[in-house]
Amino acid sequence: RKEVEQDPGPFNVPEGATVAFNCTYSNSASQSFFWYRQDCRKEPKLLMSVYSSGNEDGRFTAQLNRASQYISLLIRDSKLSDSATYLCVVNSASKIIFGSGTRLSIRP
Amino acid sequence: DGGITQSPKYLFRKEGQNVTLSCEQNLNHDAMYWYRQDPGQGLRLIYYSQIVNDFQKGDIAEGYSVSREKKESFPLTVTSAQKNPTAFYLCASTLGGGARNTEAFFGQGTRLTVV
Repeated sequence: RKEVEQDPGPFNVPEGATVAFNCTYSNSASQSFFWYRQDCRKEPKLLMSVYSSGNEDGRFTAQLNRASQYISLLIRDSKLSDSATYLCVVNSASKIIFGSGTRLSIRP
Repeated sequence: DGGITQSPKYLFRKEGQNVTLSCEQNLNHDAMYWYRQDPGQGLRLIYYSQIVNDFQKGDIAEGYSVSREKKESFPLTVTSAQKNPTAFYLCASTLGGGARNTEAFFGQGTRLTVV
């Protein structure tokens, strides 16, 4: 089983739609969790950290469920500029482990 | 400005040659990582280092070697033993040392092509 598993997509949704990504991790001792965004042929950039209490940044909401060992990202009112690959990231046993990424395409 | 720098941005290698990819950071981070990304795929961990003079293999270490002689530098050598080295290579660093909620900072990547 992979340490971090993520639905590869791709997701193709119309502008204005709400999109949800989920990610599961296998190491219950994992300490910190993030969502990164990667544009084509570029390096990943931090989108947001994920906390147990949940956190929101504008149209983006991230949640962590430690009991079920999954993290989620919700994008509301999606824009064309949200088209990218979204990577969930887990800091586990001093390693930074990436999910395989979920491709999102927003169509006009 | 603090950051992490990879060089070169593009690299071409003949089959059978070793090449070394540079990664330097001035963020005073303890931990550094090397990832490989193939087209349409996620990032796979090659090697990582939590402290100077120490490093561990990741999931796909075969055909690669690293060194960590200085805190700010973590070069990756792609050896001739790596059968399919054409890929996008990303270096990252984090505070490490057991610090919580430490995001990873990335270099801009090196695109290696075997010709």
